[in-house]
Amino acid sequence: SQTIHQWPATLVQPVGSPLSLECTVEGTSNPNLYWYRQAAGRGLQLLFYSVGIGQISSEVPQNLSASRPQDRQFILSSKKLLLSDSGFYLCAWTKTTEFTYEQYFGPGTRLTVT
Amino acid sequence: KQEVTQIPAALSVPEGENLVLNCSFTDSAIYNLQWFRQDPGKGLTSLLLIQSSQREQTSGRLNASLDKSSGRSTLYIAASQPGDSATYLCAVRRSSNTGKLIFGQGTTLQVKP
Repeated sequence: SQTIHQWPATLVQPVGSPLSLECTVEGTSNPNLYWYRQAAGRGLQLLFYSVGIGQISSEVPQNLSASRPQDRQFILSSKKLLLSDSGFYLCAWTKTTEFTYEQYFGPGTRLTVT
Repeated sequence: KQEVTQIPAALSVPEGENLVLNCSFTDSAIYNLQWFRQDPGKGLTSLLLIQSSQREQTSGRLNASLDKSSGRSTLYIAASQPGDSATYLCAVRRSSNTGKLIFGQGTTLQVKP
């Protein structure tokens, strides 16, 4: 079976500090991977998606970047955090079957920028 | 541009009631639609997925319907229980290749014992 992991679970960082959030998927190969952000009281916003190693598409201009150094690893980074980067960050992958594509989410990382 | 709306934003019902959550989308050209559940501080759990060619899907006490032409989906929860309390989100997938989902804002459900 497939499993998606995210770490850390929670993170408190000062403004201006760097950020690295990691997501890994087990039990599948070449998945499409996604980073979403869920700000307090708001819906999910797609930040980045990747269809393969080194292939990153950005959905919105922002202070964040993403990388995919390995097939099942997706990293969200920032060189200098802003207060507005606070939120709940969710990694997701698409399971492909003979009939459809279904998205599954990781447990999330709660980021608080102080 | 696809927009997804969920009404109501919050709902409180007594235990045992049957209830319906609504989801509407502006562009009927979708590949499929997923309903998710999110508990506070947790990730999203996939509940049901409906392909654009399907009318409904069922899982236990949950039934999701899809009327693509009118841009509407409903999630029916039968005999609600306090454990059903959570935020329910719907999301539409426009195409199969990139798999980007467009989410509604969610409906927060409270089932009172």
